[in-house]
Amino acid sequence: GAVVSQHPSWVICKSGTSVKIECRSLDFQATTMFWYRQFPKQSLMLMATSNEGSKATYEQGVEKDKFLINHASLTLSTLTVTSAHPEDSSFYICSARGIGEGETQYFGPGTRLLVL
Amino acid sequence: GQNIDQPTEMTATEGAIVQINCTYQTSGFNGLFWYQQHAGEAPTFLSYNVLDGLEEKGRFSSFLSRSKGYSYLLLKELQMKDSASYLCAVMDSNYQLIWGAGTKLIIKP
Repeated sequence: GAVVSQHPSWVICKSGTSVKIECRSLDFQATTMFWYRQFPKQSLMLMATSNEGSKATYEQGVEKDKFLINHASLTLSTLTVTSAHPEDSSFYICSARGIGEGETQYFGPGTRLLVL
Repeated sequence: GQNIDQPTEMTATEGAIVQINCTYQTSGFNGLFWYQQHAGEAPTFLSYNVLDGLEEKGRFSSFLSRSKGYSYLLLKELQMKDSASYLCAVMDSNYQLIWGAGTKLIIKP
């Protein structure tokens, strides 16, 4: 149980385009989803926390107009990187915490974004 | 401030036992988590401790002492596939996860 999927797993795009990443909880309902970013050989960095049906809470320094988060249902959250630039290239990972799973966050497999 | 400390890197031999320590100072405590992260992959959940004591799960065990702000992850019968980073994370009073920087474990034959 407690499986989280992410799509796509790899994205290569041109600078200035927008990229949408989907995160789904497959076998449980995720009341809260988290979006992280991780640069090579660095720690996980929490970007934002989203609760189903409400606006996401962004961490300090994360631009909410650039990283749009939608948590429209108990099994789906999306992160849209708007007008992506090369410095946005990173490993984006979502996690979910939900009904019947206690306080544990379960991670998706991650999405590797490369902006050219 | 909130702080999680764990060693940056450890080396151990295949078949041996290794203990990865984690100390923490957080505003409140609602549990401590250990995750495993292989290079280039997302973290996977290993264990959750909220009460003092030892939790055993196969070759992996996790220990917690809340009074000392201390936990360790014990890995027995090490295998080459155990080479990974091990992340300690504490849930604070706001139910936010505070992450350690991770311990890179290198297993040698």
